[in-house]
Amino acid sequence: AQTVTQSQPEMSVQEAETVTLSCTYDTSESDYYLFWYKQPPSRQMILVIRQEAYKQQNATENRFSVNFQKAAKSFSLKISDSQLGDAAMYFCAYRSAKGGTSYGKLTFGQGTILTVHP
Amino acid sequence: KAGVTQTPRYLIKTRGQQVTLSCSPISGHRSVSWYQQTPGQGLQFLFEYFSETQRNKGNFPGRFSGRQFSNSRSEMNVSTLELGDSALYLCASSLGGGTPTREKLFFGSGTQLSVL
Repeated sequence: AQTVTQSQPEMSVQEAETVTLSCTYDTSESDYYLFWYKQPPSRQMILVIRQEAYKQQNATENRFSVNFQKAAKSFSLKISDSQLGDAAMYFCAYRSAKGGTSYGKLTFGQGTILTVHP
Repeated sequence: KAGVTQTPRYLIKTRGQQVTLSCSPISGHRSVSWYQQTPGQGLQFLFEYFSETQRNKGNFPGRFSGRQFSNSRSEMNVSTLELGDSALYLCASSLGGGTPTREKLFFGSGTQLSVL
């Protein structure tokens, strides 16, 4: 079974600064997807960024980028130029690329609460 | 385009009762997944439906069941409620179809269930 670990229960950052959230995972599979989701107080999970394991290039989405280290099974999220609206709970998640057991199933980490100070 | 809609937003039940939660996916989406979120256990996958068929299931007791209708709307039922069933229940929809783009999940805002 796959597991996802987020070792930072809480992080804080000053507005306009950069912050990095950590995530490690464990899997015996070679093909999979990794995600970062954001959950604001509205409770709706919002996809921030996605990485395919077969791609060596790190994914980026505007101010959000990842550092994907497949051999180390590490997948960190960097938020640049932090904004007040970035404050939320952030979840790292894993999905197998195999059919069957992958349908609709994400394995989530425990989450990191990010506070942004003005 | 409307997002994923979950009703009701809040629900209070007592132990032993049963409850039904509803999820309307984004128009055109044929896959619906359900998750339970608690402070202690985090987010856990319940099950996934595609075109009225359950394709995947998590490790939950048989008290948790679901179904999907021909219009892709889905319901989740929990029978004989226990205190530990108090949680935020999230529904997510996707186009379905196997490719990463078609499997991208869009979440609703959840139903907060409190069992007294």
